[in-house]
Amino acid sequence: EAGVAQSPRYKIIEKRQSVAFWCNPISGHATLYWYQQILGQGPKLLIQFQNNGVVDDSQLPKDRFSAERLKGVDSTLKIQPAKLEDSAVYLCASSWTGGQPESQYFGPGTRLLVL
Amino acid sequence: LAKTTQPISMDSYEGQEVNITCSHNNIATNDYITWYQQFPSQGPRFIIQGYKTKVTNEVASLFIPADRKSSTLSLPRVSLSDTAVYYCLVGEGNTNAGKSTFGDGTTLTVKP
Repeated sequence: EAGVAQSPRYKIIEKRQSVAFWCNPISGHATLYWYQQILGQGPKLLIQFQNNGVVDDSQLPKDRFSAERLKGVDSTLKIQPAKLEDSAVYLCASSWTGGQPESQYFGPGTRLLVL
Repeated sequence: LAKTTQPISMDSYEGQEVNITCSHNNIATNDYITWYQQFPSQGPRFIIQGYKTKVTNEVASLFIPADRKSSTLSLPRVSLSDTAVYYCLVGEGNTNAGKSTFGDGTTLTVKP
């Protein structure tokens, strides 16, 4: 079974530039999550999708962050414009959402450095 | 959301059993307890999940007392490769899995 794919793996940009991350979840997984993980901290949920609808985006800085999941499969997370404090690893995860207790499957993450 | 509290770090030696305890005093009736492991430069990886009593798989055991206000992840005979950060999450394990909140985890260091 293929895992969660993310690209790019690394990105370096200057502040005020824009950046986009892509995630391809495990086939058949209805739920997709984007997390931000700052060095030394646990992952923080940014947004959760159920198919192509948003379930929770309460911690997404909507003035600069946006995310979409067209057709309920792949997803993109965008930052525009980036700030120094956005330097972090951005993790994508997916899960079945079959109504039973389940776990999340995480991708390798995209490491973003904002200079 | 149930908040979790874990030790920041733990040290152990190869071959020993390691027990990491997580406190979750505000756990709700429908909440499951899930543990993840994270290595540097990788995403978290599911280890084990449970609701009550004891759960065991090929990697670890999870002990949950009757009041469910805490849980203990037990790693038998650890090796150097078990050095990682371990996260305890509490939440509904289905559509609301994302409402489980990651804390800062426990950094386990296994020494030779």
